[in-house]
Amino acid sequence: SQQGEEDPQALSIQEGENATMNCSYKTSINNLQWYRQNSGRGLVHLILIRSNEREKHSGRLRVTLDTSKKSSSLLITASRAADTASYFCATDDRETSGSRLTFGEGTQLTVNP
Amino acid sequence: DTGVSQDPRHKITKRGQNVTFRCDPISEHNRLYWYRQTLGQGPEFLTYFQNEAQLEKSRLLSDRFSAERPKGSFSTLEIQRTEQGDSAMYLCASSLLRGAGETQYFGPGTRLLVL
Repeated sequence: SQQGEEDPQALSIQEGENATMNCSYKTSINNLQWYRQNSGRGLVHLILIRSNEREKHSGRLRVTLDTSKKSSSLLITASRAADTASYFCATDDRETSGSRLTFGEGTQLTVNP
Repeated sequence: DTGVSQDPRHKITKRGQNVTFRCDPISEHNRLYWYRQTLGQGPEFLTYFQNEAQLEKSRLLSDRFSAERPKGSFSTLEIQRTEQGDSAMYLCASSLLRGAGETQYFGPGTRLLVL
């Protein structure tokens, strides 16, 4: 079942603006990961945040995790047209074995030049 | 190392035919995963291997689906008697098991269309 739910489903912004995407989940997790997918392509790993971490940065990306609210956010600063893609959160749930990932339905981000 | 590769990238078949997809993981990775993604949805887990052992299968994986990973290297996913509902992107990912927080690296996927 899809436990991650991204919000919003679609986001359209201008180049240079910041984009914030949110993800909620339902179970206890080992970690949460964010992936990007360009249309019709495979997924590109962006960042992994462990359950005992609250915030993580990677370049223009900032991820937060609130395990008490079972939610995470992905912030992309100073967006570029090349950031246009679908963004998925995925959880590695404690109840499941083998680190299988449970994905949300994604947020479609469009950055207009 | 060029990452995870999948072959073919696209497959069109007629209902009732069998198809087989191949995934070559990153060479030192001991875990290999298969996911399926339909249009507008996130990927859904199908099955995974640790080395050559298939350790878990999703309920999505009907008896028409079979996956193998001989010698713990590449993996194949076969779909027998394909149905139109099998049309989807089939994604393979690999990872290196080393405690909590392993990152899964995805291949480009195989897009299947069943006519």
